Amino acid sequence: AQKITQTQPGMFVQEKEAVTLDCTYDTSDPSYGLFWYKQPSSGEMIFLIYQGSYDQQNATEGRYSLNFQKARKSANLVISASQLGDSAMYFCAMRETIGGSEKLVFGKGTKLTVNP
Amino acid sequence: ETGVTQTPRHLVMGMTNKKSLKCEQHLGHNAMYWYKQSAKKPLELMFVYNFKEQTENNSVPSRFSPECPNSSHLFLHLHTLQPEDSALYLCASSLGLAGGLKETQYFGPGTRLLVL
Repeated sequence: AQKITQTQPGMFVQEKEAVTLDCTYDTSDPSYGLFWYKQPSSGEMIFLIYQGSYDQQNATEGRYSLNFQKARKSANLVISASQLGDSAMYFCAMRETIGGSEKLVFGKGTKLTVNP
Repeated sequence: ETGVTQTPRHLVMGMTNKKSLKCEQHLGHNAMYWYKQSAKKPLELMFVYNFKEQTENNSVPSRFSPECPNSSHLFLHLHTLQPEDSALYLCASSLGLAGGLKETQYFGPGTRLLVL
């Protein structure tokens, strides 16, 4: 069963507008961490934002914010004031404990295209 | 300047060749990872090293052989690969167990491998 689900293979947004990238997760562990990474065409995975399962507030990092809805097991990424440089693949990931070791499990990603 | 470097950035090899991928991290981290990213598939964890000791081998074929001589360097030795092994190979590093739940993995730019 998929642990991380990103239902949007591709998204388009106009420059300067906000966009939400969806992510739902599945875990029975009460303690977990959620991450978003950006992957430009160059290939490097760039860490954007982190949300802990016990965090009371939604995480924010500059133009990135995470809409964390624990009961719905969703951790959507919101990018405000989109820029052309935001065009990239975006991956949601969850840290979980499997067999006594910590692992980072990734979703399939969403390709974001920012139009001028 | 990225804290995690990978060489080469691109590699074309035949099925009978032997080559090595190199990863170096300048972040003072204790854990290093190899991931494989194929088209249209989620990122797949291959190997994990903590303090130079291999702690995870995610059922990777023996034609991939990792080596971690110290906490800053990680190699992936390749031999008799198959065309389906063509992918982007990403290296990452993190604090390891000391990082706690918020432990974040930082990635290198990857090596794009093509097996002919």
